[in-house]
Amino acid sequence: AQSVTQLGSHVSVSEGALVLLRCNYSSSVPPYLFWYVQYPNQGLQLLLKYTSAATLVKGINGFEAEFKKSETSFHLTKPSAHMSDAAEYFCAASNSGGYQKVTFGTGTKLQVIP
Amino acid sequence: DAGVIQSPRHEVTEMGQEVTLRCKPISGHNSLFWYRQTMMRGLELLIYFNNNVPIDDSGMPEDRFSAKMPNASFSTLKIQPSEPRDSAVYFCATGGVRTEAFFGQGTRLTVV
Repeated sequence: AQSVTQLGSHVSVSEGALVLLRCNYSSSVPPYLFWYVQYPNQGLQLLLKYTSAATLVKGINGFEAEFKKSETSFHLTKPSAHMSDAAEYFCAASNSGGYQKVTFGTGTKLQVIP
Repeated sequence: DAGVIQSPRHEVTEMGQEVTLRCKPISGHNSLFWYRQTMMRGLELLIYFNNNVPIDDSGMPEDRFSAKMPNASFSTLKIQPSEPRDSAVYFCATGGVRTEAFFGQGTRLTVV
């Protein structure tokens, strides 16, 4: 079964600093991978997704993530944090074929310090 | 498209009462998921349907929970009887073939 691990339930960065949120998946078959963002009292919104095309995926709001098969990782980065980036971020994975059951990580809350 | 529509957005009910949460998926999506989110347990998958058929309900906490998808445009999650520990935000999400899951805004359930 697919599993997703997010290292660090809370991450704090200064405004303007690099954002790095870590995600590792467990699968012998490269899955589809996603990053979602959740702002307070809202549903989850897709930031970006990897579907076996380019390994570097660019998403909304200046975020990007790189798929590294050798490391089974899909870390999310942003060069310069904004206050508006403060939210909870979820990494997720799904099977590449058949049913689209999505497995979510436990989430990482990003705090941006002025 | 209006996206995934969940109703109600907020529900407050007394312990022991029946609660029904509703979801209208995005037209054309063939997978539907019900999630529960709490501070303690994070985001949990309760059940998912494919082409209106329940595929995996292993996440349903107990027999008090049931979910149905009578047609491609409607699903319900029912809790009977409700208990205070059921208080959470319940999300419905839907997806198409090889697409991501699109989430509704959620239903915040409070059982007092």
